[in-house]
Amino acid sequence: LAKTTQPISMDSYEGQEVNITCSHNNIATNDYITWYQQFPSQGPRFIIQGYKTKVTNEVASLFIPADRKSSTLSLPRVSLSDTAVYYCLVARGEGTALIFGKGTTLSVSS
Amino acid sequence: NAGVTQTPKFRVLKTGQSMTLLCAQDMNHEYMYWYRQDPGMGLRLIHYSVGEGTTAKGEVPDGYNVSRLKKQNFLLGLESAAPSQTSVYFCASSYEVIYGYTFGSGTRLTVV
Repeated sequence: LAKTTQPISMDSYEGQEVNITCSHNNIATNDYITWYQQFPSQGPRFIIQGYKTKVTNEVASLFIPADRKSSTLSLPRVSLSDTAVYYCLVARGEGTALIFGKGTTLSVSS
Repeated sequence: NAGVTQTPKFRVLKTGQSMTLLCAQDMNHEYMYWYRQDPGMGLRLIHYSVGEGTTAKGEVPDGYNVSRLKKQNFLLGLESAAPSQTSVYFCASSYEVIYGYTFGSGTRLTVV
């Protein structure tokens, strides 16, 4: 599976847009990019997934350039409740499982 | 509510004791997974299953066994608990890995 690299931590203030970039240089043709969010003492929660270009849902947007070697999770106008760990993963498909790294710890302050 | 239920939520074991963690899902998912998470770390895959009666090893399978006798249940066993197995254990299920996982709320296990 393609290894992902993302910043260990990021800081932001309420109301700002936060962009977390992840690199996955060895991504394969049939791989998807997927992001999860984890709050303390809880299991991770699926946020968003994409293959290429841009995907948007009620929580976030995901930008994937044409070469797919990186992706950017965009959280619009964060609040204190967005403080969490965000994981970028590459999902290969049938018969496999997700391998989590350490993720990016996002701290939002007032 | 539909989801993934883990039993028990907390447990303290003595070194050498055995126990079984139960994961149950009611979403008719084919795939089920067991992860462990240590403080300040990401999740590490222990074992997973791609369907009833199947199991596969993950990143850190030693010291654990699993069984998937029924589609809705995935059991994680510790035959002889060690302090290094003190961790939070998360179970997850999915229709397929690319469609996103649903995680349980975790089991906090302490081995003394």
